[in-house]
Amino acid sequence: GAVVSQHPSWVICKSGTSVKIECRSLDFQATTMFWYRQFPKQSLMLMATSNEGSKATYEQGVEKDKFLINHASLTLSTLTVTSAHPEDSSFYICSARVAGDNSPLHFGNGTRLTVT
Amino acid sequence: DAKTTQPTSMDCAEGRAANLPCNHSTISGNEYVYWYRQIHSQGPQYIIHGLKNNETNEMASLIITEDRKSSTLILPHATLRDTAVYYCIVRAPGGTLTFGKGTMLLVSP
Repeated sequence: GAVVSQHPSWVICKSGTSVKIECRSLDFQATTMFWYRQFPKQSLMLMATSNEGSKATYEQGVEKDKFLINHASLTLSTLTVTSAHPEDSSFYICSARVAGDNSPLHFGNGTRLTVT
Repeated sequence: DAKTTQPTSMDCAEGRAANLPCNHSTISGNEYVYWYRQIHSQGPQYIIHGLKNNETNEMASLIITEDRKSSTLILPHATLRDTAVYYCIVRAPGGTLTFGKGTMLLVSP
């Protein structure tokens, strides 16, 4: 149980275009999902917390107008990288938690974004 | 959330037990210890978590010291597929997961 599916697994786009990444909780409902970013040889960095039906909470230094997050249902959150630039190339990973404050987060398999 | 300290890397022979230490000397009373691992180019995989009692599941055992200032993740019979970066994270209920650099475990034949 507790499967998180992320799509696409990889994407290549041209500079200036936008890319949407989907994160789905397949067998549970997630009122809260989290978006992380990981650059090569670095650890995961939390970008934002996505709450179903309300605005996302962004970490310091993450531009909310560039990284649009929508959490319209209890099983789906989307991250849209707008006007992507080569420096946005990274590994984007979402996670979700089964109900309960002490429950562990379960992660998707990530999306490799390459902006050319 | 309290910070953790882990060795940068460890080696283990296939079939032997892998014991991964973690120091969390500033842990608060309500913070849990979580362990995740990340195999190259994949999302992190949850392994185990605990508050103060030792825990065991099908993947691993978690030993937490009585003062809760450190813990050890034990993989009882390491395989080559256990080669990964292992993250020890402490988190308060409802809090976020903050990843450190973790321990790169290399399991060799």
